[in-house]
Amino acid sequence: SAVISQKPSRDICQRGTSLTIQCQVDSQVTMMFWYRQQPGQSLTLIATANQGSEATYESGFVIDKFPISRPNLTFSTLTVSNMSPEDSSIYLCSVTTAAHYEQYFGPGTRLTVT
Amino acid sequence: GQSLEQPSEVTAVEGAIVQINCTYQTSGFYGLSWYQQHDGGAPTFLSYNALDGLEETGRFSSFLSRSDSYGYLLLQELQMKDSASYFCAAPPGNQGGKLIFGQGTELSVKP
Repeated sequence: SAVISQKPSRDICQRGTSLTIQCQVDSQVTMMFWYRQQPGQSLTLIATANQGSEATYESGFVIDKFPISRPNLTFSTLTVSNMSPEDSSIYLCSVTTAAHYEQYFGPGTRLTVT
Repeated sequence: GQSLEQPSEVTAVEGAIVQINCTYQTSGFYGLSWYQQHDGGAPTFLSYNALDGLEETGRFSSFLSRSDSYGYLLLQELQMKDSASYFCAAPPGNQGGKLIFGQGTELSVKP
């Protein structure tokens, strides 16, 4: 298993600004992912955070809007850039361990853009 | 494309049995997982099926039929604390760890 923490847990931001979300895992993991979940909706994969190389983005998500860093096997950041109210959502990081089908999720960051 | 379809909501009473269905369409098939998410909480892993048949974990069981591209989560002896959203999820092809989630089924357990 893995224990994941995220910071901040929530924030209220003004449009046009940027927010960086941190994800810390208590053990080294190969695969780390970032998801977005709007209230009452499902989880949408934003990108896979790759250690030592550029993140792999899903369709509809671009690096300029959601730059991701992964400096080591226990830590990643997601930045939401030039925010608009449409970016208001919960952002979750997750990891897999040996069992690729089992993901462990952080508690999420609840972002509100005004 | 890849998609997983679930009912949006299900209501049941304490002590009852409820089944949440999931039909999927993916590029190749590498297993079906189920996650539970309480309001305001993080999703937590419940079960996984790679092969046809039933997997049992306590009060929860999960079933898979690959020929029908169909699975379900069965919850027995329902408790109030089982009120949550339940998501089926599957890898979008053989892409090492990525998951695509269904839209989720909100289960309400009534007394």
